[in-house]
Amino acid sequence: EVQLVESGGGLVKPGGSLRLSCAASGFTFSNAWMSWVRQAPGKGLEWVGRIKSKTDGGTTDYAAPVKGRFTISRDDSKNTLYLQMNSLKTEDTAVYYCTTMVVSGNFDYWGQGTLVTVSS
Amino acid sequence: NFMLTQPHSVSESPGKTVTISCTRSSGSIASNYVQWYQQRPGSSPTTVIYEDNQRPSGVPDRFSGSIDSSSNSASLTISGLKTEDEADYYCQSYDSSTYVFGTGTKVTVL
Repeated sequence: EVQLVESGGGLVKPGGSLRLSCAASGFTFSNAWMSWVRQAPGKGLEWVGRIKSKTDGGTTDYAAPVKGRFTISRDDSKNTLYLQMNSLKTEDTAVYYCTTMVVSGNFDYWGQGTLVTVSS
Repeated sequence: NFMLTQPHSVSESPGKTVTISCTRSSGSIASNYVQWYQQRPGSSPTTVIYEDNQRPSGVPDRFSGSIDSSSNSASLTISGLKTEDEADYYCQSYDSSTYVFGTGTKVTVL
């Protein structure tokens, strides 16, 4: 059974930093493309960024609102995905979901999400 | 980049059929696959349609997807509505390594 468990959310002040983790199990993590998707309170889904498997180059892509501030990385030895968030803004407040994804663009498995609140 | 626009809400009675549209603002709807996700209150999204019209195992055949190049849109149809179908639904597609979600549609089963 695929399991994705996010952690690391919490309250942070504007301009601060936070690192989210996503522990994966039930599939071959090293072969998987992974993404982060967020959802602001009462709002819709927003793609944050994606990292390919190392076999496919391990490259990352980001949505425009987070590019240059957020960094996605992976540790295949620990089956863990990370999201480093710097220079946080109030508009980054959201539940952050870790997802697996397939090349055709489907986000096929989702974690339960972790809440990040950016507020002074 | 492009946007995917959905109606804000739709409502229908149990047993009836609803169709949710998803219109792409620029670029061809047929150029990249469209997915549909269901999100029930307090839960994470799950895929109900992938690659335009494919159903994951476990999704009932009451759910179907299609694309229409003439209107540059995709559609999700739910037939034989059940109370358990009450949820938010999002379409999603991509282009040039950027992934876009639709604005979301709240389905209410009256």
